[in-house]
Formats: sequence, structure tokens, C-alpha cells
Amino acid sequence: DADVTQTPRNRITKTGKRIMLECSQTKGHDRMYWYRQDPGLGLRLIYYSFDVKDINKGEISDGYSVSRQAQAKFSLSLESAIPNQTALYFCATSDLGRRGGNEQFFGPGTRLTVL
Amino acid sequence: DQQVKQNSPSLSVQEGRISILNCDYTNSMFDYFLWYKKYPAEGPTFLISISSIKDKNEDGRFTVFLNKSAKHLSLHIVPSQPGDSAVYFCAASVFNDMRFGAGTRLTVKP
Repeated sequence: DADVTQTPRNRITKTGKRIMLECSQTKGHDRMYWYRQDPGLGLRLIYYSFDVKDINKGEISDGYSVSRQAQAKFSLSLESAIPNQTALYFCATSDLGRRGGNEQFFGPGTRLTVL
Repeated sequence: DQQVKQNSPSLSVQEGRISILNCDYTNSMFDYFLWYKKYPAEGPTFLISISSIKDKNEDGRFTVFLNKSAKHLSLHIVPSQPGDSAVYFCAASVFNDMRFGAGTRLTVKP
């Protein structure tokens, strides 16, 4: 079984619709992250959470919100989707560790298309 | 602003030869560097990392070199194998801030 799962894997929606992407992990990690990948830009951090009561904005949080329902679950919402939110979205986890970049474990991604 | 740059979007190498992937960064505060590999329809997977207190880290066929004065990172794969064909992302971090490059697509030809 995959350690980090994302649902749905693909989603096509229309401008203005509310969308939720879900992430679950069985790794027992405290830290969870949401990234988006765009061609030529790599991965950019949207939000991250270090535990259930902790939510932090990343590099590009505008237009997104998150909810950490449990240690194992971290969901990303687009309240009113717009076409430039069309991207590949990844959830990732890591454990507490050294100062700075802990290795992160990524889910398989969700391809979102906003028409 | 892109603090981590991979200036080569693609690289093609013959099987058995060396692959060298490069990465430059601008923030001198970064103190931990990682390489991830990504196959189509999968998430990135961690490959190798290096702390800023080192200049080289080796793991089997993979070696990462760090030149702090040049703010440059490279990944060497020797010998390259067709299964190494993937997109490679470099990442740099300090505290809770991790930044990724745009990726380099490596193709290893049989």
C-alpha cells in the first residue's frame, strides 16, 4: 500500500467551483505539505502543517485554504477555482528532524484542470 | 523569484556514460540540499542529499557535489542506465523553507 495517497488523481472542473483535494498518510509523520507543479517552475509550496493545530502559508497560498483534520489527513481547498490554478498538485510528508530540509515523501499527485 | 535554478531543461546521455545534472541557488542561507527523481504519473522520490558542511556525498552510482562559494550543486550518475530516465529536481532548504528547481529531464539511451 502507498504511504501517501491523494484523491482524486484527476479532476476537471469549471471556473468558480469549489474543489477539495485530499491527502492521507500512513507514515506517522507530523509534517504535511501541499505543493503545485507548473511547467518551467518546478514545485512551489502552497501550505504546510507541522501538527494538527498548526497551519502555515507557503510561497503561493492566495486562492487556497487547508484543513488538517488529523495527523494523517491534510486537505487542500480551492474556494472558487480559476483557470490559472490548473496544475499538478502534490501532497508530501516528513518527520521531525534536523534543522532545515528533511527528506519529504510525496504522494502520486492530483492533476487538476479548471476550465 | 526563483532561488533555485536548473538551467538545463533536458539532458540526453548514452547508457554507461556519466550523467551530470546541475543546479544553482541564490540564497546563501540554504544549508541542506536534496535531489529528487520523478517518473511520469508518480510523485517525486528522494534520491540523495547533502549538508552544507560537506562538499560531497556518495550513494552507489549517485554522487552529489556542493560548491558553496559558487552556490552550485551537481548530481553525477555513473554509469547511467535506461531506468535512470526521469525528471530530476534539486531542492535547497533552510529551517522550514524548501525551494525546488524547475527540473531536468534526463534521457538515457540504450
